[in-house]
Amino acid sequence: QQQVKQSPQSLIVQKGGISIINCAYENTAFDYFPWYQQFPGKGPALLIAIRPDVSEKKEGRFTISFNKSAKQFSLHIMDSQPGDSATYFCAASRGSTLGRLYFGRGTQLTVWP
Amino acid sequence: GAVVSQHPSRVICKSGTSVKIECRSLDFQATTMFWYRQFPKQSLMLMATSNEGSKATYEQGVEKDKFLINHASLTLSTLTVTSAHPEDSSFYICSARFYDEQFFGPGTRLTVL
Repeated sequence: QQQVKQSPQSLIVQKGGISIINCAYENTAFDYFPWYQQFPGKGPALLIAIRPDVSEKKEGRFTISFNKSAKQFSLHIMDSQPGDSATYFCAASRGSTLGRLYFGRGTQLTVWP
Repeated sequence: GAVVSQHPSRVICKSGTSVKIECRSLDFQATTMFWYRQFPKQSLMLMATSNEGSKATYEQGVEKDKFLINHASLTLSTLTVTSAHPEDSSFYICSARFYDEQFFGPGTRLTVL
């Protein structure tokens, strides 16, 4: 059973546009929600993360929006650049399980120049 | 951020041989490390959780005798693929827990001929 559902599977955005990736979860015990960026042939890199005590977190062009009641969270990439073209994974974990991450299926983002 | 290294980055071996992959946390101590497997254009699949000084916990369906994990120190975990076969060819990624975050290694591409 997929613990974290991610959409869309692929996304094409023009340079300067906004990229939005959505994730949903069922387990209300999850208390940590990171986003990872992965380039081909490389390991995932932590991009930004949020905890349920806040509804939004912004770091540069990247923003996480978190809706606890709807059990959804999303990644917004403002002013998308060709260098942002990568696969993005959302994840969730519970502090009680030593950080075991449950990953979404990933979103392949392509930013056209 | 915390840095995790993997060695080797790429390995090609003959069917029936064993391959060892090292995962090191370079600037922090990690009591918990994780091993993942990733197929092309797919998400990360957790294989096992490795705790320093104790036996690894394997996910359902992962053969313990085939994928041997040793976490002998706070900065090193190893994954040995024993008697490798072509179906074991994949991208193997480790991660190390640092407080409530996971930092990933760059991955190891295993090709079994």
